Amino acid sequence: QSALTQPPSVSGSPGQSVTISCTGTSSDVGNYNRVSWYQQPPGTAPKLMISEVSNRPSGVPDRFSGSKSGNTASLTISGLQAEDEGDYYCSSYTSSSTVVFGGGTKLTVL
Amino acid sequence: QVQLQESGPGLVKPSETLSLTCAVSSYSISSGYYWGWVRQPPGKGLEWIATIYHTGNTYYNPSLRSRVTISVDTSENQFSLKLSSVTAADTAVYYCARGTMIRGFDYWGQGTLVTVSS
Repeated sequence: QSALTQPPSVSGSPGQSVTISCTGTSSDVGNYNRVSWYQQPPGTAPKLMISEVSNRPSGVPDRFSGSKSGNTASLTISGLQAEDEGDYYCSSYTSSSTVVFGGGTKLTVL
Repeated sequence: QVQLQESGPGLVKPSETLSLTCAVSSYSISSGYYWGWVRQPPGKGLEWIATIYHTGNTYYNPSLRSRVTISVDTSENQFSLKLSSVTAADTAVYYCARGTMIRGFDYWGQGTLVTVSS
């Protein structure tokens, strides 16, 4: 299985919005609403931010939102804050009953 | 608060078998959920390795399937990973996590670095 495609990096100034894309295929992202997003600050374990495309687990700020169109899922962070810096990963359930991650996107808050 | 803690050797020789255990506290594995392993080579991205349901159903990354075994011990409330015939490419931080195949992994261990070297 091939990794989902994410941009290597994105950046934004405090208060702005940024969107990270996650492109898969009709065998994963496009066929299931089973996309998750994780935040990983340096040196720490990943943290689940979004599940099932757009659901926020308890405790995740509503500045984080998810969506999907066709084979591409997106994570949008609005009202960017310095604490949002880190790496972001998407993942999806696949038609082979497996899980595949994206390559990761480094978010820099300018 | 569910807690997961990985344990195992930090150094494994090439061609040998990597063995890790994940102890779960504040939640009974037999109550449900899926339990998985994810690794991250130094400076690189996340890679899903395998997942097991509390009943024993297993799911494996096709690229690692021939070398990986995941198992669960409900009596000890822990689950384990074995990766055989390791090479330097298997050097990574290994995380254990709780989740579902649908909703992702909601609780993670702190991760343990395993280095493959002679």
